[in-house]
Order: sequence, then C-alpha cells, then structure tokens
Amino acid sequence: DQQVKQNSPSLSVQEGRISILNCDYTNSMFDYFLWYKKYPAEGPTFLISISSIKDKNEDGRFTVFLNKSAKHLSLHIVPSQPGDSAVYFCAANLNYGGATNKLIFGTGTLLAVQP
Amino acid sequence: GAVVSQHPSRVICKSGTSVKIECRSLDFQATTMFWYRQFPKQSLMLMATSNEGSKATYEQGVEKDKFLINHASLTLSTLTVTSAHPEDSSFYICSVPGWYNEQFFGPGTRLTVL
Repeated sequence: DQQVKQNSPSLSVQEGRISILNCDYTNSMFDYFLWYKKYPAEGPTFLISISSIKDKNEDGRFTVFLNKSAKHLSLHIVPSQPGDSAVYFCAANLNYGGATNKLIFGTGTLLAVQP
Repeated sequence: GAVVSQHPSRVICKSGTSVKIECRSLDFQATTMFWYRQFPKQSLMLMATSNEGSKATYEQGVEKDKFLINHASLTLSTLTVTSAHPEDSSFYICSVPGWYNEQFFGPGTRLTVL
C-alpha cells in the first residue's frame, strides 16, 4: 500500500522555466511533508518542508504548496537550472506520539533541466 | 543541518559473509538514527530505527536476526548484514533526525553480494 505517490516518474523542463513536481498521499494522519533531492549513489538532501497546518512555504527558488482537502502537495522550482537535475522525493512524516515518528517516501520523480 | 557519514561507501562480498556498515553523526548527538534501503529505481524504505541504549525497532518484514543494529554511542550506529545473499544487494542509507521532522541522510553504502 503506497501511502505517498509520485505519479510522474520523470519530468523534462527547459532552463529558466518552472518545474512542478507533484505528490499525492492517502493518510490524513501525516503531519509534515518534506521534499528531498537525490543524486545517484548519494544520500538524499533535504530541500524544503511544510507543516500540515500551512498551505505554502517558500525558500528561495523552491516553494511547496499543500492542498489538504485534495491530499496533494507540489514543489515548484523557478527558475529551473541544469544543476537541479536529480531525482526528487516527496516524504511524509507520521507521528506515533512522543518522540516516535517516521518518514514515508514516494517513488521519486527524475527531473531533467535542459540547457 | 546535521552532517552524517557512512563507511564504507561501497562493499563487495561473497555470499554467506557478514558485512558491517557504520553510520556516524559528525556534529550532532543522536539518540535515534534510521536505516533505509533503496533498490534500483525504487523508493527509500525504512528498515529500522536505531535507539541509543535500547533495542532497535524493525519495520514489518525486516528480519532483525539478519540485519543487526547496534547504536553504540550518541554518534555511531552500525548495521550488520549477516550471511549476506545476492538479494541483499542494495543501497543502504542512514539518517539522523533534525530539530523538526526533517532527517539528514548519510551518503549511503552500495552493497553488492556475489
């Protein structure tokens, strides 16, 4: 049962344009959402996050939007740069109470930014 | 964020041998660390939560006797793959929790079992 889904396995965008990566989830108990960037044979790098009580968070070129009613979030990158080319993972945090929580990852979207 | 290292970065071993992977939090004391596994073109799957001073918590379907976890100190957790088989070949990544709900990941270890 895939609780976090990224339905687009890949996305190609021209340099300077906007990249929009999408993520859907099923569990309404998720309280925090995160985006990670990953290069092959490396660990994921944290990009940006959003609490479930907010609908937007912005950090430089990266903006994450959350639509709780639709159980959907998206990552916008503008302007896109060739160095942004990587696999992007959406992750959702499930809090079991106290200090116990865990991240559930989506399947990833490979972004290719064309010069 | 936290700086996390892993050693070795890649290892090739024969079937039936055991392999130990180290995860170190270089600038952050961590009572909890996480171990993930990623198969090619798939998502990161949480294997277990490593707890300093107590037993690790394993996810459903992960054999605790095969994947031994020891959280030796506030900066070191080790994952030992015992009696490794080719199907254990994968990319193993550890992480350290941040101040909020983010996690900071190590560079990963590529395990190939022949």
